[in-house]
This record gives sequence, structure tokens and C-alpha cells, in this order.
Amino acid sequence: QKEVEQDPGPLSVPEGAIVSLNCTYSNSAFQYFMWYRQYSRKGPELLMYTYSSGNKEDGRFTAQVDKSSKYISLFIRDSQPSDSATYLCAMSPNSGYALNFGKGTSLLVTP
Amino acid sequence: DGGITQSPKYLFRKEGQNVTLSCEQNLNHDAMYWYRQDPGQGLRLIYYSQIVNDFQKGDIAEGYSVSREKKESFPLTVTSAQKNPTAFYLCASSIPDRTDTQYFGPGTRLTVL
Repeated sequence: QKEVEQDPGPLSVPEGAIVSLNCTYSNSAFQYFMWYRQYSRKGPELLMYTYSSGNKEDGRFTAQVDKSSKYISLFIRDSQPSDSATYLCAMSPNSGYALNFGKGTSLLVTP
Repeated sequence: DGGITQSPKYLFRKEGQNVTLSCEQNLNHDAMYWYRQDPGQGLRLIYYSQIVNDFQKGDIAEGYSVSREKKESFPLTVTSAQKNPTAFYLCASSIPDRTDTQYFGPGTRLTVL
């Protein structure tokens, strides 16, 4: 079983919709959780970072971590066509370690 | 501007040739990483370095080599021993104890003909 599982999609939503992206993981030692956004043929850019459980909000983006269920989510409100990209979850057991990535979910927001 | 640069953006090589991918950062980060990305596979760690003159193998190091002679530079050599080298290669750097500071370069697309 891969340590980090993420549905590759593609996920297609109309502009303005609320998007929910999710990852599950098997390693209970993971404490640091990140979401990256990657546009086609570009490097990933860090969107959200969360330590341990709880919620974190930044503008239209909310990251949620449920360590008891080994489940993390990224919510995008009022989705825009410019949000169309691949979203990668990543996690690690300790700060400074290399990251374990999900395969990425491809999101398409249609006007 | 601070950041990570990778060159070239696209690289073509014949089978059996070694090739070196460049990664330079001016973020003053001690830690640097190389990942490989294949369609549907996500990112997989090749090598990482937490400090100059020291580096460790990641999950898929076979057929690759690295050096870390300078803080700013972490070149990756794809050798002829790598069975399937065609991929998108991503370099990243971070402050060693700050996972939330891991930032990526723009990537190099290597195609072996």
C-alpha cells in the first residue's frame, strides 16, 4: 500500500463551485501536511501548510487535517478558471524531512 | 529575486549518454532535493542533501548521481545505467528544519531518444 493515496481525477467543476480535494495516508507518524499547486509543465508551488490536526484558512483556500482518520482535505471556495491545475498533497513525519507526495489530482474549472 | 533555477528547460539525449541537470538556488537554503515526476506517478525522491559535501539516496537513486560542493548548487547526473530516464525532473530547496519552506524550481524535461 502506497503511503499517500490521492485520486488523480480529472475533476471538472463549473466556475464558482466549491472544490474538495482529498488525500489519505497510512503512516501515523506524519505530522506535517502540505498542499502544492502545479500548472502544466511548471514546478509545484506551495499553497497551504498545516502542522498536526486542525484547519487553516488562507483566502479562498482551507486545509483540513484529521489525524484520527488519516485524512486531509483542501477546499477551494468560489473556484476560478485560473485554479485549473494539478493539486498535490505532501506530508512528512518531521520538519526538514523529504516529503511523501500523493500522485496529484487534476482540476479543471470551466467558465 | 530569490529563487531556484533549473537549466535547461528541455533536454534531449541519445540512449547510453550521461547527462547532467543543473540546479542553483540563491535562497540561502542548506537543504536541497531532486525529485522525478512521471505521468500518474506523483513526485518520487531521487537524492537529497542537508548540508554541503553530504547527500543521501532517496527512494529511486539507482542510475543517478549527485554532488554538493557548494551550498547554492546541487547538480544531478542521469547515467546510462538509469533504465527509463525520460521524465520531468524537479529540484527543491528548504531550510533543513523547516518543511514548510520547501520550494521548487521550474523543472527540466529530459527526453532520451
